[in-house]
Amino acid sequence: GESVGLHLPTLSVQEGDNSIINCAYSNSASDYFIWYKQESGKGPQFIIDIRSNMDKRQGQRVTVLLNKTVKHLSLQIAATQPGDSAVYFCAETYTGGFKTIFGAGTRLFVKA
Amino acid sequence: GAVVSQHPSWVICKSGTSVKIECRSLDFQATTMFWYRQFPKQSLMLMATSNEGSKATYEQGVEKDKFLINHASLTLSTLTVTSAHPEDSSFYICSAGMTNYGYTFGSGTRLTVV
Repeated sequence: GESVGLHLPTLSVQEGDNSIINCAYSNSASDYFIWYKQESGKGPQFIIDIRSNMDKRQGQRVTVLLNKTVKHLSLQIAATQPGDSAVYFCAETYTGGFKTIFGAGTRLFVKA
Repeated sequence: GAVVSQHPSWVICKSGTSVKIECRSLDFQATTMFWYRQFPKQSLMLMATSNEGSKATYEQGVEKDKFLINHASLTLSTLTVTSAHPEDSSFYICSAGMTNYGYTFGSGTRLTVV
């Protein structure tokens, strides 16, 4: 199987602060990117997506930034809440294929 | 919204036995489903792409004879772990959807082989 990285880095933030989670993707041909949230013992949950013809997209409390030059994605969570504590994965896919490849993931801890 | 149901949510089996995991798309038809494996504190690793009515496409290093995939209908794909061993213990997750429109994931199956 394919995956970028094996062990999860951790980000710890104070409740109410903004969180920024970063991800480097591997395939310069990838043209669709998704951020997923995974809580313990559950499957990944869609948060927000972005296509390669955009560099920024905003959702409710979340913003995704895409820098294709350096193959970098970031997820910004505003006013982080305890319920945001989870593992966050970026995923990449490309129109020429069907596979979605997951990044290494980041564990977010929110301190009350 | 799209719902993917995965069953069972957890299973314990004896070494040498086989285990079948089901993945169903409840409110949409999925010509393609994906099977992932996730070890503790690690990312999801794609095992195979399940294609309705045809053979699955396996990722490099994944044994097709050990991980049997059947996608007999547009709403059901099954993963059978044959002759399971303790090293097969993992969290198995399926997903379904369409490229460029995101995928919905099942809730996962925790397999423990004793």
